[in-house]
Amino acid sequence: KAGVTQTPRYLIKTRGQQVTLSCSPISGHRSVSWYQQTPGQGLQFLFEYFSETQRNKGNFPGRFSGRQFSNSRSEMNVSTLELGDSALYLCASSWGADRDRYEQYFGPGTRLTVT
Amino acid sequence: AQSVAQPEDQVNVAEGNPLTVKCTYSVSGNPYLFWYVQYPNRGLQFLLKYITGDNLVKGSYGFEAEFNKSQTSFHLKKPSALVSDSALYFCAVRDRYGNNRLAFGKGNQVVVIP
Repeated sequence: KAGVTQTPRYLIKTRGQQVTLSCSPISGHRSVSWYQQTPGQGLQFLFEYFSETQRNKGNFPGRFSGRQFSNSRSEMNVSTLELGDSALYLCASSWGADRDRYEQYFGPGTRLTVT
Repeated sequence: AQSVAQPEDQVNVAEGNPLTVKCTYSVSGNPYLFWYVQYPNRGLQFLLKYITGDNLVKGSYGFEAEFNKSQTSFHLKKPSALVSDSALYFCAVRDRYGNNRLAFGKGNQVVVIP
């Protein structure tokens, strides 16, 4: 069974640009969550999508947005990039059932560098 | 709000010795607890979870963790550490109210010395 895949793996952007990251969950998983990992702040929750709806949102500015498609694939967009957005962005998928007691499975991440 | 504390930045242990990585948590109600491991330039790999039932949970690669409700702790243990266990370990917690929002600790770097 294929794991969570993320594209691209590495990305270099300039301040002010925007970027779109993609995540394909494990087959059958309907929940996709996004996390930002930085040396200073650690792992922080961005948002979760389930059945094409945002179900939960972390404390990030509106420049960070996402969406989920009918096949459960998800994209995350960051507009007007800032230097502080440089991070490893991790996507995780799980079954997503109500009161889900299942673990999340993480992809390898997209390393975003903003210059 | 849910939160996790991993008090040590780095844990050094000799190969073959027992390994313990500490974690305490704060959450409303009963928790779901998880341990993940991260190798350099990789995503997080699931090790084990506590949902309900036995307080001692066994996971992948010989790891286990003990849930202690009175001390709000979920320490990760391995009886005999291997050099290949050297990695970054994260404890995570979420509540049971129907969302998938994980709160992670800062992580512990484990160094197993040959």
